Amino acid sequence: DQQVKQNSPSLSVQEGRISILNCDYTNSMFDYFLWYKKYPAEGPTFLISISSIKDKNEDGRFTVFLNKSAKHLSLHIVPSQPGDSAVYFCAAETFAGGTSYGKLTFGQGTILTVHP
Amino acid sequence: GAGVSQSPSNKVTEKGKDVELRCDPISGHTALYWYRQSLGQGLEFLIYFQGNSAPDKSGLPSDRFSAERTGGSVSTLTIQRTQQEDSAVYLCASSLVNTEAFFGQGTRLTVV
Repeated sequence: DQQVKQNSPSLSVQEGRISILNCDYTNSMFDYFLWYKKYPAEGPTFLISISSIKDKNEDGRFTVFLNKSAKHLSLHIVPSQPGDSAVYFCAAETFAGGTSYGKLTFGQGTILTVHP
Repeated sequence: GAGVSQSPSNKVTEKGKDVELRCDPISGHTALYWYRQSLGQGLEFLIYFQGNSAPDKSGLPSDRFSAERTGGSVSTLTIQRTQQEDSAVYLCASSLVNTEAFFGQGTRLTVV
């Protein structure tokens, strides 16, 4: 039962263009969403997050959009840089009474390659 | 320490042997998590410790897996009688309450 899905295993983008990574979820109890970036032989590093009370969160070149009705979120990177090449994971969790359950459910990841 | 530290970074073991994986979380972080990533898969939740509360063990795949956290700091994940399907990268993470988790570099376990 894959509650968080990243249907694109890989994405290739030219430097300077926009990268759009997509993620779908099925569990309506999820109310907090995160994106992590992972380089080979390293652990995932937190990138950006969004609460279900928002539909957009922006941090520099990174913007996350949330469409609750469609149970869909996306990460936009613009402009894309070669150093952005990594595996990107979306993750979701449930907060109850303002406290995280602490259990992140991850998607399978999307390999982003940004060509110079 | 500056980040989450895991040891060993690589472990090769024979099928049927027991293994212990160690995690040193970021100092002061009350929450500690174990995940694993099998080849071609996303990260799979295993277990979660928060302060003195009983751990959430709902992700442990079998009773061969156990974890403990001593003194609210260091954690050890133990896999007994390892099987080939246990081969994966085991990732530990820590966080403060209601903040994002910081991950270690992982332990790559290979069962031969």
